[in-house]
Amino acid sequence: DIVMTQSPLSLPVTPGEPASISCRSSQSLLHTNGYSYLDWYVQKPGQSPQLLIYLGSRRASGVPDRFSGSGSGTDFTLKISRVLAEDVGVYYCMQALQTPGTFGPGTTVDIK
Amino acid sequence: MHLVQSGAEVKKPGESLKISCKGSGYKFTSYWIGWVRQMPGKGLEWIGIIYPGNSETRYSPSFQGQVTISADKFINTAYLHWSSLKASDSAMYYCAGQGAVGGTVDQWGQGTLVTVSS
Repeated sequence: DIVMTQSPLSLPVTPGEPASISCRSSQSLLHTNGYSYLDWYVQKPGQSPQLLIYLGSRRASGVPDRFSGSGSGTDFTLKISRVLAEDVGVYYCMQALQTPGTFGPGTTVDIK
Repeated sequence: MHLVQSGAEVKKPGESLKISCKGSGYKFTSYWIGWVRQMPGKGLEWIGIIYPGNSETRYSPSFQGQVTISADKFINTAYLHWSSLKASDSAMYYCAGQGAVGGTVDQWGQGTLVTVSS
């Protein structure tokens, strides 16, 4: 099984400042088609998770462009260019190469 | 794609339970649909997943033999079944629908809270 790790696990942020979360997989998520099958999800308080980023860097429909994903193979990053209060929640990376996937432990983003 | 789950359940240890997830707005038989557990205050864990078109089912190792996932393609509904609940099964359970891109979850159900207590 592919094991996912994230850092940091807790990220206090100042509104308007950038934020960055790292995700690492125990095996390469690079498919033969050239895409890395890594997703980012956010779970806001009291809500179901929702898709932010898929294939490592593609924003899901309706996701603001302040969110960006990068990386390939085993190392990935989610960046928020300017954090808003509404971005508070737990951010999970998930490998989508194998079905079912595997989630990382989650990174809690809250406001300082 | 829209997924609607059955309501919250309160059960006793040893009882059986089946919760459901009804899909609409897409071709139910063409996409994987699965279940994710979230224990209180914890992260997300894949339980398993089913392809309703041919009923192929895959379980995460931790859940193999503990639950059963099934689907009724005639009523566009997926199920998660326990034959004998334990207190440790108390959790929120989400159904998760994959789309056309690998294992990416395009749509989530609203969650079903299961409480197992004597």
